Amino acid sequence: DAGVTQSPTHLIKTRGQQVTLRCSPKSGHDTVSWYQQALGQGPQFIFQYYEEEERQRGNFPDRFSGHQFPNYSSELNVNALLLGDSALYLCASSLATYEQYFGPGTRLTVT
Amino acid sequence: AQSVTQLGSHVSVSEGALVLLRCNYSSSVPPYLFWYVQYPNQGLQLLLKYTSAATLVKGINGFEAEFKKSETSFHLTKPSAHMSDAAEYFCAVSEGNSGNTPLVFGKGTRLSVIA
Repeated sequence: DAGVTQSPTHLIKTRGQQVTLRCSPKSGHDTVSWYQQALGQGPQFIFQYYEEEERQRGNFPDRFSGHQFPNYSSELNVNALLLGDSALYLCASSLATYEQYFGPGTRLTVT
Repeated sequence: AQSVTQLGSHVSVSEGALVLLRCNYSSSVPPYLFWYVQYPNQGLQLLLKYTSAATLVKGINGFEAEFKKSETSFHLTKPSAHMSDAAEYFCAVSEGNSGNTPLVFGKGTRLSVIA
């Protein structure tokens, strides 16, 4: 059983550009959450998707948006990239009352 | 609002010595508490969780943690450190045990194990 997968593993973007990160949840999971982990910090909650809708959102600007597809996979989009957006982006999937399972993350570097 | 404070950004122990990683939390509601481990270039793996049942929680790889409400603490311990325990450890709190409840993480503690 494959766990949570994320793509790409690494990417480098320039300030002002847009980026899309992808996440496939663990088999059977219907909820996807995204976290941002800056260097030397703990992960911070960005938002959560369930039934193709954004259900909860953390303290992140509207430049961060997402989508969930019918197969429960999800995308995180970031527009107008800033240097401060450089971080490890983690996706976590879950099902109802069970724990969140994290993927390996996507390392985004903004230059 | 909930928050987590992890005391000590870096802890170094000798192989075979006791591991103690400290975590204090703040929550306006009865908390659910978690410890995660992150190995280099990997995601987070759940070590253990407290969900208002037994205050002493046993997890994987020989780790355990004790919930102390009076001290608002949830420290992680392991009797004997192994080289493979070297990693980053994160304490997290949430308002519920549901996988749908956002986690609030501390800044992490990097554990080094010296041979």
